[in-house]
Amino acid sequence: SQQGEEDPQALSIQEGENATMNCSYKTSINNLQWYRQNSGRGLVHLILIRSNEREKHSGRLRVTLDTSKKSSSLLITASRAADTASYFCASGSGTYKYIFGTGTRLKVLA
Amino acid sequence: ETGVTQSPTHLIKTRGQQVTLRCSSQSGHNTVSWYQQALGQGPQFIFQYYREEENGRGNFPPRFSGLQFPNYSSELNVNALELDDSALYLCASSNFRQGREAKNIQYFGAGTRLSVL
Repeated sequence: SQQGEEDPQALSIQEGENATMNCSYKTSINNLQWYRQNSGRGLVHLILIRSNEREKHSGRLRVTLDTSKKSSSLLITASRAADTASYFCASGSGTYKYIFGTGTRLKVLA
Repeated sequence: ETGVTQSPTHLIKTRGQQVTLRCSSQSGHNTVSWYQQALGQGPQFIFQYYREEENGRGNFPPRFSGLQFPNYSSELNVNALELDDSALYLCASSNFRQGREAKNIQYFGAGTRLSVL
């Protein structure tokens, strides 16, 4: 399969808790992105981290990247019911081809 | 709203038929990529068009073909449909003229759900 892998496949937490999801990829990259998808609709870009960065923050999102382990993690702090969605990482080695992971389905319970 | 529109939203075809899916890119974007997303999976890259030329292709057979028009709208054509072609087809636009990070960000449409019977 040309897809990356994410874990866990599914995550259920209470509102206010933090959610952490992990992504592994297979090839060298120049950037890695995280996207969110609601109910099988289009994906929405959340954050991009370049290969020479180790950590990046955007609002309640924190992304880390470990190129030696070919892995990344996305942390959502103080989760809300509206964060319920599927989250995908996309590893990019150029500007035309991105390899998406299999996704983590997050459910935040009110 | 990303400004990327796809049509139709749903489509039902039978095996062996041909289908054309359409995408209108976000204004000012010169690059469009197409993805296939099977149920419960992540999107898989089909191909990308930049300035009306194919700029890269994933592991999809030649019966998947595309076009990009001067106004940067795009079509995905699939011939000889197979049952396994049933999926959500997503297009995403981006702009190579933007800065180092921005040009890598893709803006997705809501997708076309294709069912092949």
